[in-house]
Formats: sequence, structure tokens, C-alpha cells
Amino acid sequence: DVKVTQSSRYLVKRTGEKVFLECVQDMDHENMFWYRQDPGLGLRLIYFSYDVKMKEKGDIPEGYSVSREKKERFSLILESASTNQTSMYLCATTSSTEAFFGQGTRLTVV
Amino acid sequence: DQQVKQNSPSLSVQEGRISILNCDYTNSMFDYFLWYKKYPAEGPTFLISISSIKDKNEDGRFTVFLNKSAKHLSLHIVPSQPGDSAVYFCAASKTSYDKVIFGPGTSLSVIP
Repeated sequence: DVKVTQSSRYLVKRTGEKVFLECVQDMDHENMFWYRQDPGLGLRLIYFSYDVKMKEKGDIPEGYSVSREKKERFSLILESASTNQTSMYLCATTSSTEAFFGQGTRLTVV
Repeated sequence: DQQVKQNSPSLSVQEGRISILNCDYTNSMFDYFLWYKKYPAEGPTFLISISSIKDKNEDGRFTVFLNKSAKHLSLHIVPSQPGDSAVYFCAASKTSYDKVIFGPGTSLSVIP
């Protein structure tokens, strides 16, 4: 069974803080993705990576950066958290047939 | 500009009846389509997929139909059960390895 683990289920951060969301997968997949889910907007792609040290912007990269130092780990970074980044964040990895998701991190920025 | 659209934000169906969830897409390069189901406070889980060389794929109570000329797909759940109540996301990609683009989701309620 593919396992995608996100380091936190719930986070509360203050405006302006630097926030790290960690994601680890155990299936040696090359592709990893970060999405955010908001009501009425579905899942929107923030960043993705096809290989170590490689990253590509998704549809809404503004205010975010990522790090892929090791194949199994893909980190999402909020350089200076803002209240409009309050959301559910989902990490995913893909095989040839489907995407596998972590359990999500509910981030609240106050 | 949304490339994958689910125009019904919500749907209510009686237990035992058929649930039909619809999805439209705009990018003709999409070649691979998936449906995901999501319960609150959990990550989405894969339900069923279809590639563009097929027009139908069936897995138990779930069937996905693809009409490539209309850029439309639908998910049929027969018979619907209360445990099917969840948000359903339609998704598409250019290849099975490419980034997956999701629709906004449809919240399905199956009433006992």
C-alpha cells in the first residue's frame, strides 16, 4: 500500500510566520504534488516535482515555494503566511494509474 | 479559467436510486480521467479512471462514461448507499503520469 504522510493534521500560525508543510511518500514515486482545497474551488495545484531538486509551478504558486532535496520528501513553504492561505493542503504522489493523497493539513492563519 | 468543471455543487439522491455526477472539460489534450471521493478531514481516495481510448469503465457499483467529442464524462453509482455521501472530484491529465487537474467537486448526499 502506498503511504503518503503529511507531518501535521492541524496547524495554527500567525500572519507573517514562515510555515513548513512536510510530505513523505514511501513508494519511490518520482512525481509529487501539492494542492490546496477550498470550498467551491476544488483542488488547485500549487507546485509539483517530477524529480529530486526539480520543481514546477502549478496554477497558484504565488506566496509559496517548495523543496525536494530527497525523492521521498516534498516540502511546501509559506514564506510569510497570510490569512488567505488558510486552507486544507493536500500532498499527492502518482503512479501510472492514479494519484495517492496524504490525509491533509488544515492550516489556519490568524 | 477552469479546465475541469463540475457544474453541480451538490446532489441529493434517495438510497437505492442511481446517482449521476457530471463533469466537463475544456482541454482537448486531456487523455486520462479520474474520479476521487473525499470524506471530511480526509485526503481524497481514488474511485475509478478511464482513458480516452475507452468510452466506458465499470467497477462494481461505479461506472464512468466518457464522451470525448462532447468533452464530457459522468460517474454513475448504482445503487446509491448512504456511505456514498461525500464530495466527488472529477480530474483529468494529459497522460497518466502528468499533473492532475481537478474540478471543484460535487457534494453527494444519499438519503436513507
